[in-house]
Amino acid sequence: KQEVTQIPAALSVPEGENLVLNCSFTDSAIYNLQWFRQDPGKGLTSLLLIQSSQREQTSGRLNASLDKSSGRSTLYIAASQPGDSATYLCAVSPSGTYKYIFGTGTRLKVLA
Amino acid sequence: SQTIHQWPATLVQPVGSPLSLECTVEGTSNPNLYWYRQAAGRGLQLLFYSVGIGQISSEVPQNLSASRPQDRQFILSSKKLLLSDSGFYLCAWSVPTSGGETQYFGPGTRLLVL
Repeated sequence: KQEVTQIPAALSVPEGENLVLNCSFTDSAIYNLQWFRQDPGKGLTSLLLIQSSQREQTSGRLNASLDKSSGRSTLYIAASQPGDSATYLCAVSPSGTYKYIFGTGTRLKVLA
Repeated sequence: SQTIHQWPATLVQPVGSPLSLECTVEGTSNPNLYWYRQAAGRGLQLLFYSVGIGQISSEVPQNLSASRPQDRQFILSSKKLLLSDSGFYLCAWSVPTSGGETQYFGPGTRLLVL
């Protein structure tokens, strides 16, 4: 059974810092891995999608990497800003399914 | 462009009352559709998904049911709500492409059962 874990559960950093959010999954047989952002009381916004054949994806100040063999993904945020404050969720889609399994998220606060 | 709508945004219902939450998608055809629940302090739990009209897969046994009467309409229902049904309900859609299958989420419905 696929399980997704995100560490740390919460993180508080000063503005301008580069930071790394971690996601680990127990079964390497995945189709996709996706990173999302969720603002309080809102739906999820897709940030980056990494296919199983890819190693990383970049969008602006965000870079996500995938190491399937070790069951890990990281989301790197460069030069963090207060507007980056949100909960970040990763989700994996097991091979052969249409489902996504979500981690419990990392709650990020960037201090001005 | 594609958009996804959910309503109502907020709902307060007494225990034992029925429930109907609606989700519609615009700007795409034959999407995969999903219902998730997010309880306070917990991650997203997949409740149902659908790959076509009338095709519903249930992930966990529960007090809820789902239906897909039209290609871009997904409905979550209950005949009698329980206190444990309280939570934030999110609908999502995806379409398989050569670039992968990105999930896109609606704004959610916050349900409080009293």
